[in-house]
Amino acid sequence: IAGITQAPTSQILAAGRRMTLRCTQDMRHNAMYWYRQDLGLGLRLIHYSNTAGTTGKGEVPDGYSVSRANTDDFPLTLASAVPSQTSVYFCASSDAGNADTQYFGPGTRLTVL
Amino acid sequence: GQNIDQPTEMTATEGAIVQINCTYQTSGFNGLFWYQQHAGEAPTFLSYNVLDGLEEKGRFSSFLSRSKGYSYLLLKELQMKDSASYLCAPMDSNYQLIWGAGTKLIIKP
Repeated sequence: IAGITQAPTSQILAAGRRMTLRCTQDMRHNAMYWYRQDLGLGLRLIHYSNTAGTTGKGEVPDGYSVSRANTDDFPLTLASAVPSQTSVYFCASSDAGNADTQYFGPGTRLTVL
Repeated sequence: GQNIDQPTEMTATEGAIVQINCTYQTSGFNGLFWYQQHAGEAPTFLSYNVLDGLEEKGRFSSFLSRSKGYSYLLLKELQMKDSASYLCAPMDSNYQLIWGAGTKLIIKP
């Protein structure tokens, strides 16, 4: 693993189903983030974690949950997917020792029908 | 409130120079980032400014004026591969990035 990986690459999901998007980084960064990106809008922060064991809500947290059991993994769960959650989801990580520059995973394209 | 303003789309010619402007209003300020995002890909880091002035990095330069809430990204000797969206993102007092919708740059031969 080099950098940040996300899985799956893409997914089509029926409304009402539960889904977990996976994110793993091997840079030992303290902070991790989940964003969604929709056409014509900027990246919007869903949840973040400043360090293992802590999480916080971003701009658009409703319908999503996260956990940070260790430094490397930061899964995002949709408990009951709805069509408005159709989006591209990016995971990112940063290190306070590097001006908090965020480095992004390749993204997951999620379609909820 | 927090707000980012940058042009939606710009067109430039291969080999030319283009300047992408960004104005911002944030709650506190801890620097400003520029990212490049090719279609269908993740954003990648280009530059970070925390002090006023110009930072040069190869063909790309970034400028910041904190008093004016203004930044620009200058791209020289444009190449076709520079066709992408450019995202301006100031960092607020909570060290969260506030993202603009991005400027789509189209390079023509």
